[in-house]
Amino acid sequence: GENVEQHPSTLSVQEGDSAVIKCTYSDSASNYFPWYKQELGKRPQLIIDIRSNVGEKKDQRIAVTLNKTAKHFSLHITETQPEDSAVYFCAITGGSYIPTFGRGTSLIVHP
Amino acid sequence: SQTIHQWPATLVQPVGSPLSLECTVEGTSNPNLYWYRQAAGRGLQLLFYSVGIGQISSEVPQNLSASRPQDRQFILSSKKLLLSDSGFYLCAWGRRVDEQFFGPGTRLTVL
Repeated sequence: GENVEQHPSTLSVQEGDSAVIKCTYSDSASNYFPWYKQELGKRPQLIIDIRSNVGEKKDQRIAVTLNKTAKHFSLHITETQPEDSAVYFCAITGGSYIPTFGRGTSLIVHP
Repeated sequence: SQTIHQWPATLVQPVGSPLSLECTVEGTSNPNLYWYRQAAGRGLQLLFYSVGIGQISSEVPQNLSASRPQDRQFILSSKKLLLSDSGFYLCAWGRRVDEQFFGPGTRLTVL
């Protein structure tokens, strides 16, 4: 089946700094790469996604980059704010109905 | 627009008792439905998914079962709860294999 590794498991930054979370995968058939944000006690919510025919996508302070050759994709958050503090999950989807999630990164933004 | 509901929101049950968690989706038809468990606030473990009424696929063998008696209803059950069943249970739906819209979740504590 598909496998995805997510790093780091915890990331602590100062407000205003950038944060980068990386996921690597093994299945070359993977073609959709979403990122979810889960605030404490809440449901995961999609914040940005990218498909295999695109190398980069940006939405205000967040961006996702995809390197299909190296089989990794990353979430970039610039000018971090305390409200960015949450657990972030990457996921991959290939040809099955079963999305595979990373183990999550706990991002802490210190004011 | 589509809405996903889960109930109850919180549940405290003794070891050995039965369990029934319900998930319903409004505003769409024939959705793919998923049950996830999240322990200790991290990691989404896919338990079951369904692509149609009466069609259930299990990802992790355990004392839980799922049923889909109606198109937009997904039920997670157990005959006898274990301590290890405690966690945050999330239902999700999608129209395509790469969509995951999560419900508000049920926090289950087994004592």
